[in-house]
Amino acid sequence: QQQVKQSPQSLIVQKGGISIINCAYENTAFDYFPWYQQFPGKGPALLIAIRPDVSEKKEGRFTISFNKSAKQFSLHIMDSQPGDSATYFCAAQGTSGSRLTFGEGTQLTVNP
Amino acid sequence: KAGVTQTPRYLIKTRGQQVTLSCSPISGHRSVSWYQQTPGQGLQFLFEYFSETQRNKGNFPGRFSGRQFSNSRSEMNVSTLELGDSALYLCASSLYDEQFFGPGTRLTVL
Repeated sequence: QQQVKQSPQSLIVQKGGISIINCAYENTAFDYFPWYQQFPGKGPALLIAIRPDVSEKKEGRFTISFNKSAKQFSLHIMDSQPGDSATYFCAAQGTSGSRLTFGEGTQLTVNP
Repeated sequence: KAGVTQTPRYLIKTRGQQVTLSCSPISGHRSVSWYQQTPGQGLQFLFEYFSETQRNKGNFPGRFSGRQFSNSRSEMNVSTLELGDSALYLCASSLYDEQFFGPGTRLTVL
């Protein structure tokens, strides 16, 4: 019940296109949902996060859509750029401290 | 503000040895969490320390332990190393919900 399922495992998008990564969770006690971006040899970097009382959050080219009833959330990257090529992780956290449960990761490649 | 720092960045050990990894959180952050990242298992939570007390623990054997000091700096220790312990060990610090990760320590067990 602690799992977070992420898809697709890999994604190839053309420059300027929209990248969409999806996640689903089971534990209704999760109340904070961040997305992280990781480049090779680096630690994950926080991109954007959302709470269940909001259905959408946008920061620049990055948007999180959240569907509480379906227990799903997704990351949309608009106008994808080659510099966005990285591994993206969704995660979920409950109320009892800082314990993130991560999805499996999506390797995004943006072709020029 | 300086980010999360981890030392050392790379380590090579042999089976049966023990290792200690260090993490310095962002100034003012009192919570430090540790994660293990491997290609097979992904990112897995090890434990969290807050104000020198372990607040959460993941599903790892007792060979994995940690502690936090009064200045919020944290260490994790792995005893009796196994080949499967080869991984990137990540430390994250937080003030509230947002967790900020360090660059990690790459541990290789031979």
